[in-house]
Amino acid sequence: QKEVEQNSGPLSVPEGAIASLNCTYSDRGSQSFFWYRQYSGKSPELIMSIYSNGDKEDGRFTAQLNKASQYVSLLIRDSQPSDSATYLCAVATMEYGNKLVFGAGTILRVKS
Amino acid sequence: DVKVTQSSRYLVKRTGEKVFLECVQDMDHENMFWYRQDPGLGLRLIYFSYDVKMKEKGDIPEGYSVSREKKERFSLILESASTNQTSMYLCASPPGTGEKDGTDTQYFGPGTRLTVL
Repeated sequence: QKEVEQNSGPLSVPEGAIASLNCTYSDRGSQSFFWYRQYSGKSPELIMSIYSNGDKEDGRFTAQLNKASQYVSLLIRDSQPSDSATYLCAVATMEYGNKLVFGAGTILRVKS
Repeated sequence: DVKVTQSSRYLVKRTGEKVFLECVQDMDHENMFWYRQDPGLGLRLIYFSYDVKMKEKGDIPEGYSVSREKKERFSLILESASTNQTSMYLCASPPGTGEKDGTDTQYFGPGTRLTVL
């Protein structure tokens, strides 16, 4: 059973701070990693994808991947109240034909 | 932009009814997926399809079936709805199967919130 684990939270950070969201996965064969943001009552929206070890930056978002330690993280700089949402980590492996396995999500609350 | 649409945003059905959830993508994608999402459990894969008339079971296929007669449409069928199938149902479709060129990214439809009474 392929597993993706996330701390359910809620993670509370003050406006302007850095929010750090973490995810670990069990399958060493995993090759693609995604972070989705989901507002209440809405469908998940892709915000970052990462495929290689290291950091990938996109605006205020930075994804970090460490395949040796089997974790992927998402940093949100200068957090805004509009960042308050559930963040889902998803992992795909070739074995499953790129079927995604999702974590249960971390609730982020940014307080103004 | 990738567009994935679902036939209904909200649906209320009675126990024992046959329920059809429709998903349509307009980008000629081969792959389509059906998930359900429940609080504390995240998204769980029900069925997926790699091509027309092709289907594969996901992690929780019991109580569901699917149909893919046309490339753009992937239907999820609840043969006899039960209260434990009350959930948010999400359809997703990636542009391709590539791992490192971004074409494995799944784009979600708006979701159908199904309530079975």
